[in-house]
Amino acid sequence: EAGVTQFPSHSVIEKGQTVTLRCDPISGHDNLYWYRRVMGKEIKFLLHFVKESKQDESGMPNNRFLAERTGGTYSTLKVQPAELEDSGVYFCASSPMDRYNEQFFGPGTRLTVL
Amino acid sequence: AQTVTQSQPEMSVQEAETVTLSCTYDTSENNYYLFWYKQPPSRQMILVIRQEAYKQQNATENRFSVNFQKAAKSFSLKISDSQLGDTAMYFCAFMKHVAGANSKLTFGKGITLSVRP
Repeated sequence: EAGVTQFPSHSVIEKGQTVTLRCDPISGHDNLYWYRRVMGKEIKFLLHFVKESKQDESGMPNNRFLAERTGGTYSTLKVQPAELEDSGVYFCASSPMDRYNEQFFGPGTRLTVL
Repeated sequence: AQTVTQSQPEMSVQEAETVTLSCTYDTSENNYYLFWYKQPPSRQMILVIRQEAYKQQNATENRFSVNFQKAAKSFSLKISDSQLGDTAMYFCAFMKHVAGANSKLTFGKGITLSVRP
């Protein structure tokens, strides 16, 4: 069984540019989560999809961040325009509905905003 | 809101010895899950062990065991017979015991564990 995959693994952009991160969850996992770790700080929750619907987006920092989950499959997280403080590692995780307490994580996307 | 505290940023242990990683948390919930996740260098995070708050028995997974003290809100991880492959960053995490909604994880800052040969 393929694990959670994320693309790209690294992204370096300049302030003001746009970046789109992608997450492919484990097949059949209806729950999809985005988290972010800023250097030296805790991993913070961003949002949670159940299938294609946003269940909880309380962790989204501001309206420069837009997350979508097309057809309840893969998800994208777009940052537009990027700011310096958006730098960090963005993790995606997925879990099945009947075992929501088993989140499987992707390798993360390291975003650097210069 | 929940908080998770890992006060030790780094620890080091000799191969084959035992090490304990500390974690405390704060919550007003009575039923919840606690987790330890491991992230080896340049690899993805994996679940090490999970504890359900309503279970008094401490969880154990091979060389990994926890000391769960609900009243003290403490959840430490003990690694026995440490191996070089245990070198990683370890994160303590909390989740409410709520099916579906609100199943987000709240993490501590993590601790870097180095196993010396």
